[in-house]
Amino acid sequence: DVVMTQSPLSLPVTLGQPASISCRSSQSLVSSDGNTYLNWFQQRPGQSPRRLIYKVSNRDSGVPGRFSGSGSGTDFTLKISRVEAEDVGVYYCMQGTHWPPWTFGQGTKVEIK
Amino acid sequence: EVQLVESGGGLVQPGGSLRLSCAASGFTFNSSWMSWVRQAPGKGLEWVANIKQDGSEKYYVDSVKGRFTISRDNAKNSLYLQMNSLRAEDTAMYYCARTKGMDVWGQGTTVTVSS
Repeated sequence: DVVMTQSPLSLPVTLGQPASISCRSSQSLVSSDGNTYLNWFQQRPGQSPRRLIYKVSNRDSGVPGRFSGSGSGTDFTLKISRVEAEDVGVYYCMQGTHWPPWTFGQGTKVEIK
Repeated sequence: EVQLVESGGGLVQPGGSLRLSCAASGFTFNSSWMSWVRQAPGKGLEWVANIKQDGSEKYYVDSVKGRFTISRDNAKNSLYLQMNSLRAEDTAMYYCARTKGMDVWGQGTTVTVSS
């Protein structure tokens, strides 16, 4: 199974400042079809997960432009250019290249300092 | 509006059974792989099972193989998870999600396994 490792696991951020979350996979996530199936999810307190980014860098509809995804192979990053209060929650990466199983990172908790 | 609504959770004793349901609307259900994902209290997300559009392929995480069965009724736009021989470690919020990119999630239904 592909192991997804996120860092840091806790990220205190000042409002208006940038934030960055790393996600590393135990093997390359490049699929035989040439796509890289690495997604990012946001889970606000008391809510269901919501997908933010798919296939490394594509923002879902309605996701603010301050969220961006990048990376390749085994190393990926989610960046928030300027953190807002509504960004508080837990962020997960997930791979869908080598399935089953689909595997998630441990989650990174973003909080306001 | 694309929507998934889970139901069927509750409190059950160890060794007991429960059947979860997920009602889909707003998209072509019979064209979509569907998944169940769970989240234990205070923990992260764990994919549990998924099923192909016509039900011909099913996959499970190792920890539930032989105990859980995923199924679907395309005529009713519904997804199910039959959970048998439940254990304390199955206690979690259970979400249904559209498998393709996990782009759509329900609000979840809570399963508690306790005596």
